[in-house]
Amino acid sequence: ILNVEQSPQSLHVQEGDSTNFTCSFPSSNFYALHWYRWETAKSPEALFVMTLNGDEKKKGRISATLNTKEGYSYLYIKGSQPEDSATYLCAWGLNAGNMLTFGGGTRLMVKP
Amino acid sequence: DSGVTQTPKHLITATGQRVTLRCSPRSGDLSVYWYQQSLDQGLQFLIQYYNGEERAKGNILERFSAQQFPDLHSELNLSSLELGDSALYFCASSDNSNVLTFGAGSRLTVL
Repeated sequence: ILNVEQSPQSLHVQEGDSTNFTCSFPSSNFYALHWYRWETAKSPEALFVMTLNGDEKKKGRISATLNTKEGYSYLYIKGSQPEDSATYLCAWGLNAGNMLTFGGGTRLMVKP
Repeated sequence: DSGVTQTPKHLITATGQRVTLRCSPRSGDLSVYWYQQSLDQGLQFLIQYYNGEERAKGNILERFSAQQFPDLHSELNLSSLELGDSALYFCASSDNSNVLTFGAGSRLTVL
């Protein structure tokens, strides 16, 4: 079974805290790793797509790293804000056909 | 507005019935994907079409079928509905970048 695991399942932090979560995926047969942000009552929105081992991507206060050899990616949020509250999904792509396998998500709640 | 349009947004029906969910991809995207999100489960890949042809199939039940039409819109047909089919069904589209753009979803409730 090819699973994508995310941890923790949920996270409560205070405004201003920095946080990070993990996405684990099969290290064999890797094509791409995606991160999506899913706010309540909205649809998931793409944050990053990473394809190379060692890739690091950054968008504002959010960044992500990728280790394809050991099969994990970290998502970091620096100085969390209430508007960062959302579920963060990672998805592993086996091939260029883009049949992504999603993890269960990490639900982040940032308290003001 | 993501550019991916899904209809209907909400649908309530009875067991044994059949429904059709519709998706119009973002302009220029050739690939359409269908995902199911049931209660307490993550996004489950159902099926992908590329320019009218089936490209990949995931955990899609035999009671479900889909197609992509020449104008690139796609329909997901769900038949002989069961209570467990109640879920949020997402359509997404992509261009060659492989980044998925999701629609707002169709929430199906089977009573």
